[in-house]
Amino acid sequence: EAQVTQNPRYLITVTGKKLTVTCSQNMNHEYMSWYRQDPGLGLRQIYYSMNVEVTDKGDVPEGYKVSRKEKRNFPLILESPSPNQTSLYFCASSTNPERYTEAFFGQGTRLTVV
Amino acid sequence: GQQVMQIPQYQHVQEGEDFTTYCNSSTTLSNIQWYKQRPGGHPVFLIQLVKSGEVKKQKRLTFQFGEAKKNSSLHITATQTTDVGTYFCAGPKSNFGNEKLTFGTGTRLTIIP
Repeated sequence: EAQVTQNPRYLITVTGKKLTVTCSQNMNHEYMSWYRQDPGLGLRQIYYSMNVEVTDKGDVPEGYKVSRKEKRNFPLILESPSPNQTSLYFCASSTNPERYTEAFFGQGTRLTVV
Repeated sequence: GQQVMQIPQYQHVQEGEDFTTYCNSSTTLSNIQWYKQRPGGHPVFLIQLVKSGEVKKQKRLTFQFGEAKKNSSLHITATQTTDVGTYFCAGPKSNFGNEKLTFGTGTRLTIIP
């Protein structure tokens, strides 16, 4: 089954404790992206990757890191989480965004930083 | 910067009534996409519009792209309980393709049985 898988689905952590949210897709998609969703703000892009070893900032990259060492994986790293990073996070992938292809989203990771 | 606004933010309708959400961009869009997110779920792609004035239908859903390619609408005829969720439009940021999508704030639809 074609899917984007995020782990964990839920996470409660403390300020400053490094964490990684994993994202994996089995559709051989070149493009992957991370979004955060906050009430009243919709989905905001954090980082995206056009292909292996190619990443770029979205609208809200501060406090986040990403890497794309393999085509299927695109982990989101919070080196020193803060309470303002409490949010619902989605990973997405698509074949070729330059051709206006649809994005497939993961199930989401609800992160709480206390 | 580019803004994509959606109205209304919330809409409560009786089952069987129609529903419309509007999406307005501050800049011309090369294309626009619509997504639906069920409560507790993730966004799911509905459709993409590319041409000026384009109209597409999916059963009870009708999508329109404005002539100036700066606005779009989603209309649902005779709503059903399965239509509950938040509807988002999304368009590429100025001077970018869909690698940098800007999402609208969404319209949350609730159905009164």
